[in-house]
Amino acid sequence: ETGVTQTPRHLVMGMTNKKSLKCEQHLGHNAMYWYKQSAKKPLELMFVYNFKEQTENNSVPSRFSPECPNSSHLFLHLHTLQPEDSALYLCASSQDKGLGYGYTFGSGTRLTVV
Amino acid sequence: AQSVTQPDIHITVSEGASLELRCNYSYGATPYLFWYVQSPGQGLQLLLKYFSGDTLVQGIKGFEAEFKRSQSSFNLRKPSVHWSDAAEYFCAVGAGFGNEKLTFGTGTRLTIIP
Repeated sequence: ETGVTQTPRHLVMGMTNKKSLKCEQHLGHNAMYWYKQSAKKPLELMFVYNFKEQTENNSVPSRFSPECPNSSHLFLHLHTLQPEDSALYLCASSQDKGLGYGYTFGSGTRLTVV
Repeated sequence: AQSVTQPDIHITVSEGASLELRCNYSYGATPYLFWYVQSPGQGLQLLLKYFSGDTLVQGIKGFEAEFKRSQSSFNLRKPSVHWSDAAEYFCAVGAGFGNEKLTFGTGTRLTIIP
């Protein structure tokens, strides 16, 4: 257990479904991130939140909608996804926006879109 | 913009043998460099990091890495691998404080044979 908890661990959804991924950390970190990990591709940064405010949206399609109600929780709302969105979605947190402490990652949610 | 290259997609090493995983980065100033390890079905765990100072850094699990500015490299080493080291290894580079982006390489999969 790293201190960053992601649920669910696995998710299968149809292209017309709406689902949400949840990330929770109680490390006292102020910044949280969503990454997408696809086979044979580098990790792709999707969103960054710092003190609940979104500071980065890396040209992510609108079918992915993040939400950060407080510094401990981060959600990724999914709707009308495509099969190419199937991937491992990783949440991470850090002490602040800087890289002084590195990131702490969760175990990820394995998403399959059918 | 920063970038990372991990030239080896897959490496196979005998248990007890030494290991070196290569990482080359591209960044104009002194980078923040990281190595992460990912076991199957898990998130990424920080092995070690370099910001400044001694160019040889020690990490967890007996790993070390050496920053060589002249070669733009940050190779990961371990003198004697164990079967439990089988995993995927990611090198990452960041631009420093105030810039929260970590750019990851595509990873090197390490297989250990008895």
